[in-house]
Amino acid sequence: DIVMTQSPDSLAVSLGERATINCKSSQSVLYRSNNKNYLGWYQQKTGQPPKLLIYWASTRESGVPDRFSGSGSGTDFTLTISSLQAEDVAVYYCQQYYTTPVTFGGGTKVEIK
Amino acid sequence: EVQLVESGGGLVQPGGSLRLSCVASGFTFSTYWMTWVRQAPGKGLEWVASIKQDGSEIYYVDSVKGRFTISRDNAENSMSLQMNSLRAEDTALYYCARSFPRIGWLSQYWGQGTLVTVSS
Repeated sequence: DIVMTQSPDSLAVSLGERATINCKSSQSVLYRSNNKNYLGWYQQKTGQPPKLLIYWASTRESGVPDRFSGSGSGTDFTLTISSLQAEDVAVYYCQQYYTTPVTFGGGTKVEIK
Repeated sequence: EVQLVESGGGLVQPGGSLRLSCVASGFTFSTYWMTWVRQAPGKGLEWVASIKQDGSEIYYVDSVKGRFTISRDNAENSMSLQMNSLRAEDTALYYCARSFPRIGWLSQYWGQGTLVTVSS
């Protein structure tokens, strides 16, 4: 199974500042034939289901603010919130969809400092 | 508008059975992979099972193989999860999710979930 490891477990960032979340996979999720990374990011606010933010490691889902960006390739990925807003308080998960079992990272809780 | 509504959760004793249902609307159900994902109280997300558009491919996480069965009825726009031999560790909020177009194992839309509690 591909193990997804997120860091940090939690972080507190001031409003308007940058938040960076890391995700590392135990094996590459880059599919060579199409040069795509099978990596997504979700946001889950308290009491709500997850919301898809990013797919193919760096493509924003429709309607997602451009302060959210994804980067990385192979085994190392990053979700960046360029200017944290109050509504961004949530837990963020990475997920690989390269192979089954589909696996998620353990989550990173983002709070306001 | 895509809507996914789960039902069937509840309190069940260890070793018991439960059948979850997910009714979909707002999209052409038969053209998307569907997935169950669960979340234990206060914990992270765990993928449980996925089923292809025509039911010809099905995948499970190891911990539920042989105990859970995913199925779908495209005529009724619904998906089910039959859960047998339930254990305390199956206690979770179970989400129904629809795939992203042409990306079967990436979940784009999620229901609100149905809570399963396994306890004596």
